[in-house]
Parts: sequence; C-alpha cells; structure tokens
Amino acid sequence: DVKVTQSSRYLVKRTGEKVFLECVQDMDHENMFWYRQDPGLGLRLIYFSYDVKMKEKGDIPEGYSVSREKKERFSLILESASTNQTSMYLCASSLFGTAYSNQPQHFGDGTRLSIL
Amino acid sequence: QQPVQSPQAVILREGEDAVINCSSSKALYSVHWYRQKHGEAPVFLMILLKGGEQKGHEKISASFNEKKQQSSLYLTASQLSYSGTYFCGTFWGAQKLVFGQGTRLTINP
Repeated sequence: DVKVTQSSRYLVKRTGEKVFLECVQDMDHENMFWYRQDPGLGLRLIYFSYDVKMKEKGDIPEGYSVSREKKERFSLILESASTNQTSMYLCASSLFGTAYSNQPQHFGDGTRLSIL
Repeated sequence: QQPVQSPQAVILREGEDAVINCSSSKALYSVHWYRQKHGEAPVFLMILLKGGEQKGHEKISASFNEKKQQSSLYLTASQLSYSGTYFCGTFWGAQKLVFGQGTRLTINP
C-alpha cells in the first residue's frame, strides 16, 4: 500500500513565524500535491509538483511556497504565517496524473495547523 | 475552477439510496471520486474516464455524462459505513486536479 506521511498531525505556531509542513511518500510517485481543507470549501489546491524541483501553482498559492529537492519529499512553506492560514493541510501523491490517466491520488492524514 | 457538487448534505436511513452530482464548467476528460470519514484522510473510490463505462465499488457506482459535463455517484442500499463526505475531482489543465466543495452524507440506523 502507498504510504503518504505528514510530519505532524497538529501544529501550533505564532503569527509571523516561518512554518514548514513536510510530506513524504514511499512509492516513487511522480506527482505530489498540497491541499488546504476548510469547512464548506472542500479541498483547495495550493501547489503541486510533477517532478523534482518542478512546481506549479494551484488555486490559492498566495502566502505559500513549496520545495521538492527529492522525489519522495514535498514541503509546504508558510513564509510569514497569518491567522487566516489556520486550517487543515493535506498532502497527496500519485504515480503520474493527467486528465487522461487512471491514476488515483493517495492522501496523508493531514496536519491541523493553528496560527495564534 | 472547482466543480460544483449537489446536494451539499444528505441525511438517509440505512438501506435508502442516494445520488450525488458533480458538474463542471469545463469539458471533462475524467472524474475522480473520494470519500473522507471524519478525522481521516480522503480515500479513493473510483475514476471515470471519458468514453468509459459506468464503474462500481461495492454498492457504489458512478456515471459520466460528457455532454452535460457531469458525473453522478449512486449509493444503493446505503450502509452505516457509507457515512462521510464525498468529493469529486476534475482536471483543469493536464495535471491539475481540483476538487468540489464536498457532499456530507449521514446514514442513520
């Protein structure tokens, strides 16, 4: 089974801090994703990466950056955390993924981040 | 860019049927369906590809209407274990999978 591991289940940080959320997958997947989940808004894509050192903006990239130095690891960075970034963050990976393929996404358990 | 799901919430008794719809403003090539139980990660249910047949998973099946740019998820004879939030996902661009806002399904005994 694919295992997507997020470094923390719960995290509390202060406004203005630089925050790192880490995600590791163990199945040599090409694609990795970061989503933010808020009540009533579903899963919103922040950034995704389809190869090492490659990244693409999702729908809500403002205030975030990402890093993918190794294939198995995808990091989400909050450059200067703000209270409106309090949310559940979900990482996902897929073997490869295009609109024409049948590869599912596999999700981590999520990190509930609170910015005080 | 998010697909639109309807209804937003459904409450059923065990054994009843439900339909969840997912509509896109853009031409669909594929639709993903996932279920998320409270406090857990979303879990993959099925993918429907353009031109593909209706698919099934346990007593859950789905259809894909290319002309209407819509997919529907059918839950037949619902079980308590079907409770959760269901998400559909569609592609904007070749590799960008975006999800709907979710449909919360509650099954009561």
